Amino acid sequence: GQQLNQSPQSMFIQEGEDVSMNCTSSSIFNTWLWYKQDPGEGPVLLIALYKAGELTSNGRLTAQFGITRKDSFLNISASIPSDVGIYFCAGPPPSGSARQLTFGSGTQLTVLP
Amino acid sequence: KAGVTQTPRYLIKTRGQQVTLSCSPISGHRSVSWYQQTPGQGLQFLFEYFSETQRNKGNFPGRFSGRQFSNSRSEMNVSTLELGDSALYLCASSSGTTNTGELFFGEGSRLTVL
Repeated sequence: GQQLNQSPQSMFIQEGEDVSMNCTSSSIFNTWLWYKQDPGEGPVLLIALYKAGELTSNGRLTAQFGITRKDSFLNISASIPSDVGIYFCAGPPPSGSARQLTFGSGTQLTVLP
Repeated sequence: KAGVTQTPRYLIKTRGQQVTLSCSPISGHRSVSWYQQTPGQGLQFLFEYFSETQRNKGNFPGRFSGRQFSNSRSEMNVSTLELGDSALYLCASSSGTTNTGELFFGEGSRLTVL
């Protein structure tokens, strides 16, 4: 099946710093999604990308859909304490259900005051 | 509107027992998907139900099953529990009629198998 390689596995940053994380796959995705999971909660969708080369922002978050359709990155600018959590990239199979998502292994983000 | 509700939030079982988890989707949503989350394997798709029918199934053994009722509420069942079934089981709700990939997750049911 499809696999998503997400890096880094964890990050420790100072409040106010920018953060970048990425996701790569050996196979093509037609949709890239970025979810965030806070402790004790389920993942919440942050950004959805539907077109190769697309660059989308959501507040301090910016994500891009790679031209090859095999990668995506997420940037967080001017980090704040509430950015703490686990960030997942995800995508559905090209010819399958949009509810059958493959998830990356996650990036655990810690923001130090 | 109310979010996705999962019950119970926590439960402890022993090997060989069975367990049933419940999920109430967002009102108006007809699709319910189930995911298993473990430290080792991460988030993995179990199955999706839409209008009381299983629409997709992940790569899990037959001990994992589910169903959906006419009000869109869903249950999943795991029989003959194994230690490796210890996990957070997440239910996700969506309209089921769009291909955006946006899922609304519940807080999960944390299962511990002893």
